[in-house]
Amino acid sequence: TQLLEQSPQFLSIQEGENLTVYCNSSSVFSSLQWYRQEPGEGPVLLVTVVTGGEVKKLKRLTFQFGDARKDSSLHITAAQPGDTGLYLCAGYFGNEKLTFGTGTRLTIIP
Amino acid sequence: ETGVTQSPTHLIKTRGQQVTLRCSSQSGHNTVSWYQQALGQGPQFIFQYYREEENGRGNFPPRFSGLQFPNYSSELNVNALELDDSALYLCASTRNAGGFNEQFFGPGTRLTVL
Repeated sequence: TQLLEQSPQFLSIQEGENLTVYCNSSSVFSSLQWYRQEPGEGPVLLVTVVTGGEVKKLKRLTFQFGDARKDSSLHITAAQPGDTGLYLCAGYFGNEKLTFGTGTRLTIIP
Repeated sequence: ETGVTQSPTHLIKTRGQQVTLRCSSQSGHNTVSWYQQALGQGPQFIFQYYREEENGRGNFPPRFSGLQFPNYSSELNVNALELDDSALYLCASTRNAGGFNEQFFGPGTRLTVL
């Protein structure tokens, strides 16, 4: 069974600060995705990373995939209240089943 | 707007009852997956359907069953409901984007079992 661990579980910071959340697995991902989920809604795909060492930027969000494809990070610069939500990493481990992490609940305080 | 819709949005049932949840997938997507998301946790994979056939199943008992129809809409059926079945049930349709899959989630059905 592949497990994805996310850290921290909860994070509450002031508007304008920077933050990083992490996603780790003992198994190699064939691809990894990051989602954001807001209350009452389904997860929304933010990015897909496929290649070890890959870095993708989405405005103030920077996603990095580890060289060994077992870990990933999401860095947010100058956080805004609109960034509040549950951030989920999810990976494919060579099959069609998407395995989700437990999530990081982020709160940005105005 | 992902184009994936689910009904109903909320549902309350009692232990032992049966429930059917529905999902209309995004146009052109022939694969649909169902997930269970308990409070404070990430979604857990229940099963996936491709062209009306089950195509993979997670660690859920047989009382969780599904159907996919020719128009690619889908149903999740749960028999003999238990209190622990209370959760948000999500469906997602899949498209292949340059060699990897992208899933588009509906808003979910919040099931409460009393």
